[in-house]
This record gives sequence, C-alpha cells and structure tokens, in this order.
Amino acid sequence: NAGVTQTPKFRILKIGQSMTLQCTQDMNHNYMYWYRQDPGMGLKLIYYSVGAGITDKGEVPNGYNVSRSTTEDFPLRLELAAPSQTSVYFCASSYSSVSNQPQHFGDGTRLSIL
Amino acid sequence: SQKIEQNSEALNIQEGKTATLTCNYTNYSPAYLQWYRQDPGRGPVFLLLIRENEKEKRKERLKVTFDTTLKQSLFHITASQPADSATYLCALEWNNDMRFGAGTRLTVKP
Repeated sequence: NAGVTQTPKFRILKIGQSMTLQCTQDMNHNYMYWYRQDPGMGLKLIYYSVGAGITDKGEVPNGYNVSRSTTEDFPLRLELAAPSQTSVYFCASSYSSVSNQPQHFGDGTRLSIL
Repeated sequence: SQKIEQNSEALNIQEGKTATLTCNYTNYSPAYLQWYRQDPGRGPVFLLLIRENEKEKRKERLKVTFDTTLKQSLFHITASQPADSATYLCALEWNNDMRFGAGTRLTVKP
C-alpha cells in the first residue's frame, strides 16, 4: 500500500506560471483534502472533496482550483502563480467524515514562486 | 474567531523523562481532537483521537487528555526516547473540517 502519493516533491515556478500538483491515494477513501503549511503556521485547508465529482472550498481557496474525477485522484491547480503561494502543500485522505477519522497525509510538494 | 495555540514552538527534555505538550483553543467547542506527529520533510502522521466525552486516551507510551471546561488538551509521552523527537500537531474538528495548531517541536536529548 503506497497510501497518499504526491508529485512532484519540489518545484520552482516563475510568477504568473501555472502548474498542477498531483495527488493520488490507493486506500479507496472518499474524502480528500489539500492543505498548505507555512513556517510557524498551522496547516490551512485549501479545498476538500467528499467524493468523485464533489469539491468544496476550505479556509484559503483563493488562487487555486481542484477537480475530482475519480476516487483516487485529487489534483490541485495554480493558474497564475504568485509569491504568496510559496509554501509546502500536503494532500490528505480519510475514510469518511473528517472529524472522527484519522487523516492520511502524503509527504508534500515544496513549491517556490520566484 | 477560533484560535488554536500550542504551548511553545520548542520543548527540550532529557531521555527517560515525560514530555507534556499543550493545545489550547478558544471560541469553539470541538467534538473531536486529534494529535499528529510530523518529522522534517514528511507529512503528518496520525497518533490519537479523543472525543469530547472522553477525559483521557492512552496508546502505549502516549496519553492524551481533553478538558472541555479549560478548552485544553494535554499530550504526554512517557519514558521519552530520542526517536520521539519530532513536531507534534493538535487538530480540532471545526464545522466538518479540521483546524491545525502550528505545532510544538520536541527534542529528546540522550
């Protein structure tokens, strides 16, 4: 079992470029999440999905988009990269409702916008 | 607005001692609280979940308490080992998603 896999592990973008952060899970979890983690700050929820075809905004969604066409995959798209989006991005999944189930995290994508 | 505070950025203790980490929250009453461990360059790993009607939960050398009156959770690691060195995050259920604290970096010295 690979769990939650994120690619790429590192990336440097120029301002205004776009990219997609990939996330896939092999645990057949319905719920998937994208977080960003900045130094000295807690994880902030960007978007989440409760199943294929259903997505919703989290705490900090501006500048990002997501899609969920399959149970396994939940890509995060940055359309016009800005320096404020420099961060470590984590994808996570859980079996059901977030509050009473553990979340399983990938190892993150470290993104720098220059 | 809701606020989560973990007691300090860093905690240094000697091997064999008990580490106690604090998670305080305001302006909310979560039904669940979770603790995670995060190693450098890795994603968080789930450790324990405690419900609002549970006062205490144990797992091997780990113990979590949840005081809804004080709005505080304590996370204890007994007989600490250098391998316990990591950042520990608390997370609170909030309106069907989770809110995370910034974490406490624990260093256990041999």
